[in-house]
Amino acid sequence: NAGVTQTPKFRVLKTGQSMTLLCAQDMNHEYMYWYRQDPGMGLRLIHYSVGEGTTAKGEVPDGYNVSRLKKQNFLLGLESAAPSQTSVYFCASSPGGNSYEQYFGPGTRLTVT
Amino acid sequence: KNEVEQSPQNLTAQEGEFITINCSYSVGISALHWLQQHPGGGIVSLFMLSSGKKKHGRLIATINIQEKHSSLHITASHPRDSAVYICAVINFGNEKLTFGTGTRLTIIP
Repeated sequence: NAGVTQTPKFRVLKTGQSMTLLCAQDMNHEYMYWYRQDPGMGLRLIHYSVGEGTTAKGEVPDGYNVSRLKKQNFLLGLESAAPSQTSVYFCASSPGGNSYEQYFGPGTRLTVT
Repeated sequence: KNEVEQSPQNLTAQEGEFITINCSYSVGISALHWLQQHPGGGIVSLFMLSSGKKKHGRLIATINIQEKHSSLHITASHPRDSAVYICAVINFGNEKLTFGTGTRLTIIP
């Protein structure tokens, strides 16, 4: 099992450009999450999904959109990147039901210039 | 005030020392999660606990629900334990985690 994978690992964008980050999990987990991690702050939830076809806003959703068309994939989109979105992005998944232990991907380091 | 607070923020110790990292939270929770983030950035789940104590190798995690407090202990610490340790809580009634800002641990040979 690959667990949780993220694509790409690194990316540099210019202000105003768009991109999509892909998260894939092969554990048949129901729940998936997108976080950002910034220096001096804890991980912050951007959006999450509790099942295929569902998404919900987290703590810091502005400037991002998500889609979960297939159970194993969770996409995070930036329509018009801003320097404030420079961060490390982590995807995670969890089985759901009564099990909330989260399994994390390796992260994507995004720089917006 | 953050919902989840960790102490200390930074900790440097000699190899072999007994390590304690603390986590306090202010909300009702259904479980607490200890995570380890390696220098390369990857995040690994160490423990998920809702009561009592759990042990895995040299790591021990305890939680006191009444006092809203958890501790992570490392016995016989080793330089490979150097990492950031993150506490996160699962609030009652939802499936989301609230994270502490982490404790950076450095073990000197």
